Amino acid sequence: ETGVTQTPRHLVMGMTNKKSLKCEQHLGHNAMYWYKQSAKKPLELMFVYSLEERVENNSVPSRFSPECPNSSHLFLHLHTLQPEDSALYLCASSQEALAAANTGELFFGEGSRLTVL
Amino acid sequence: GIQVEQSPPDLILQEGANSTLRCNFSDSVNNLQWFHQNPWGQLINLFYIPSGTKQNGRLSATTVATERYSLLYISSSQTTDSGVYFCAVAGMDSNYQLIWGAGTKLIIKP
Repeated sequence: ETGVTQTPRHLVMGMTNKKSLKCEQHLGHNAMYWYKQSAKKPLELMFVYSLEERVENNSVPSRFSPECPNSSHLFLHLHTLQPEDSALYLCASSQEALAAANTGELFFGEGSRLTVL
Repeated sequence: GIQVEQSPPDLILQEGANSTLRCNFSDSVNNLQWFHQNPWGQLINLFYIPSGTKQNGRLSATTVATERYSLLYISSSQTTDSGVYFCAVAGMDSNYQLIWGAGTKLIIKP
């Protein structure tokens, strides 16, 4: 138990569906992240939120739409995805955003494994 | 940008054995973390160790920042130690990004 909870754990969707991934952290952290992990590739940072404000959008296609209503919750809205978007999507949090100081620890949720048919 | 190399890429050991995993990085860092990803995909934070030595039960880690490497030691391996071990670093210009190594895949046989 890392204090970061993701739902659903598994999701299968068609290319025309709209779905959302949810992340909740119980650590009192101020920063939250979405990462994508594809087979045989390193983790890719997608989005960073600090105090509910998006501070990093790592050239992610618009079919991925993040939402951070408060510092404890983070969503990733998915629409018209492609089969190559199938991957493990990981949410993480840290006390402060890993910015100029680049210090601090990252805590991950269990991941949402997405399959796009 | 910073390059991170982990070795070995794969390691197969019998239960009870000890192991050393290595992480080399190409530039000065102010953040270095070791993670364990279990077979179900969850990443567990093992150590935050930009320098020095830390121990947590059977696991310990040492980072020699001046020589740009970190080592993760696992003693008396158990089957639950199986998975992929990642080293991730950040330097002064990494801004929000942890740079990840490719990982070491560890299999502990009973």
